[in-house]
Amino acid sequence: AQKVTQAQTEISVVEKEDVTLDCVYETRDTTYYLFWYKQPPSGELVFLIRRNSFDEQNEISGRYSWNFQKSTSSFNFTITASQVVDSAVYFCALSEVPGGGADGLTFGKGTHLIIQP
Amino acid sequence: EAQVTQNPRYLITVTGKKLTVTCSQNMNHEYMSWYRQDPGLGLRQIYYSMNVEVTDKGDVPEGYKVSRKEKRNFPLILESPSPNQTSLYFCASSGLQGNVRVNEKLFFGSGTQLSVL
Repeated sequence: AQKVTQAQTEISVVEKEDVTLDCVYETRDTTYYLFWYKQPPSGELVFLIRRNSFDEQNEISGRYSWNFQKSTSSFNFTITASQVVDSAVYFCALSEVPGGGADGLTFGKGTHLIIQP
Repeated sequence: EAQVTQNPRYLITVTGKKLTVTCSQNMNHEYMSWYRQDPGLGLRQIYYSMNVEVTDKGDVPEGYKVSRKEKRNFPLILESPSPNQTSLYFCASSGLQGNVRVNEKLFFGSGTQLSVL
């Protein structure tokens, strides 16, 4: 069975600091997909990234970057120069087929990120 | 605009009073799914549907029903709501190719906050 662990329940940093959100996953499949979603205070789920298990290249998008390491089964998310608008709950998720699989995404419990001005 | 629409956004009801949360998508997606989000538990799948008249249980189906009579709609039905069904509910959809979803992501609705008194 697949499992996603986000050990950090809540992180609080001061604006402009860098912050890394950890995600560790478990799966028996060799082909799988990892996701990050952002849930701002308004409640909707915002897709951030999807990464295939066969592509271990790290990705950078503006102030966001993702470090995928199969050797440690981790898919960590770093925000550089954090801003107050980054305050949200962030979910890491795993699926064993593209897009989500018949069984859906398996989500971690989320990390509540608080950026203080 | 491509979107998944849930209604209502907020709902307060009493134990035992049947209710329906509607979900509609305008992307001609085959796959639709319902999740519930609870503090400390993340998102868990309730039911999913691979196409019209094809539905199946997710991880936490007890106390819920769904139907998929039309491709665009996937209502969630609580025949006799109980207080432990107080939660934030999300509907999601995705395209399918064969039995595999090919979209990069699930499209989520804005959520329905349900309170059962």
